[in-house]
Amino acid sequence: GEDVEQSLFLSVREGDSSVINCTYTDSSSTYLYWYKQEPGAGLQLLTYIFSNMDMKQDQRLTVLLNKKDKHLSLRIADTQTGDSAIYFCAVMKRDDKIIFGKGTRLHILP
Amino acid sequence: NAGVTQTPKFRVLKTGQSMTLLCAQDMNHEYMYWYRQDPGMGLRLIHYSVGEGTTAKGEVPDGYNVSRLKKQNFLLGLESAAPSQTSVYFCASSYAAGEQYFGPGTRLTVT
Repeated sequence: GEDVEQSLFLSVREGDSSVINCTYTDSSSTYLYWYKQEPGAGLQLLTYIFSNMDMKQDQRLTVLLNKKDKHLSLRIADTQTGDSAIYFCAVMKRDDKIIFGKGTRLHILP
Repeated sequence: NAGVTQTPKFRVLKTGQSMTLLCAQDMNHEYMYWYRQDPGMGLRLIHYSVGEGTTAKGEVPDGYNVSRLKKQNFLLGLESAAPSQTSVYFCASSYAAGEQYFGPGTRLTVT
């Protein structure tokens, strides 16, 4: 399978929590990232987690890492219309290559 | 502090033409990366560099060459452009393995 996999679409009502999931294959991945891309723009790093951590929280964002299952998730609390974007999961491999998933398009319902 | 800049922003090439995309960063970062982004494909790593004078192949290096003669610049070359290289190209840099800073992208069309 692909090195990094994500579902392509997610729809969430404004004010609810969004949970974007990612799975990866390389158990020796050192850093794991979440990026946000708005239309016509480059990528913006939202947060990243070291492989020896299992959770990181930053304001409305919570990252959970399950190393055993090679599963990474990004939770956005109180989702706002400004959160509408494509979210990319990425992992750094031991040779310093960073591999991206195909991105999850988050759509906010009123 | 301009961050990461890319030149040009847009370009149209004919098949077989050559060009060089320039990425520049003023943050004294060691690591620099070139990606291409295609619909439904996410970002794919073309080449990367972990320091001045070094380069390494990424996931999709064929048809591209790179050079890192100066720490602040990372050049991506297309020797003989093909329609399959129509894409949006992003450059990124990072101090080490932490936060990557992305440039605004170069939209390249090959006819």
